[in-house]
Amino acid sequence: EPEVTQTPSHQVTQMGQEVILRCVPISNHLYFYWYRQILGQKVEFLVSFYNNEISEKSEIFDDQFSVERPDGSNFTLKIRSTKLEDSAMYFCASHHGTGTGRDTEAFFGQGTRLTVV
Amino acid sequence: AQSVTQLGSHVSVSEGALVLLRCNYSSSVPPYLFWYVQYPNQGLQLLLKYTSAATLVKGINGFEAEFKKSETSFHLTKPSAHMRDAAEYFCAVSDPGSARQLTFGSGTQLTVLP
Repeated sequence: EPEVTQTPSHQVTQMGQEVILRCVPISNHLYFYWYRQILGQKVEFLVSFYNNEISEKSEIFDDQFSVERPDGSNFTLKIRSTKLEDSAMYFCASHHGTGTGRDTEAFFGQGTRLTVV
Repeated sequence: AQSVTQLGSHVSVSEGALVLLRCNYSSSVPPYLFWYVQYPNQGLQLLLKYTSAATLVKGINGFEAEFKKSETSFHLTKPSAHMRDAAEYFCAVSDPGSARQLTFGSGTQLTVLP
């Protein structure tokens, strides 16, 4: 079965450093998302991406965050200058987008655990 | 704006007992509703979804949920808990007919006692 893959599974970075989290969505999906889950808290929406541009973003997704689909298969989340509070599990998800049947669900990757020290 | 409330951040049941995890939603339009499960150190796996067809939805691992519009609820049940069901369960809502983002509840940690 097709799946969303994320790399790396764990990332430790120093405060102030840039990190790039990578995702390969399911190949025929059109919508891509990043969510995060701070330890012990709920899963929060960060950003959605469609047709090579951001379609929606949350208040969390400020100027230090950016997303890109550089080569038609990868979908990346960049955090320019990491802060301690960016430590979280980051989930990538993709959605086919047709809105019927099986296509109504988003498929999630296994997540990247980011630790900022 | 949509929201999801999961009553009970922790639920404990004995092995073989009924599992009931509560979810109430708020939405200005009839929503799509989902239950996801997260096992320790793993990602989110879809258990089941409601997308405006049958109100009683059956999912994987013996779980089911019933959409009750009058109660704005989508509670998750399983007749007989198994040790392997111990995990965190998230209820989520999205706008229908689109690929809008999910709004998650705060999660319920299910513990299954031997």
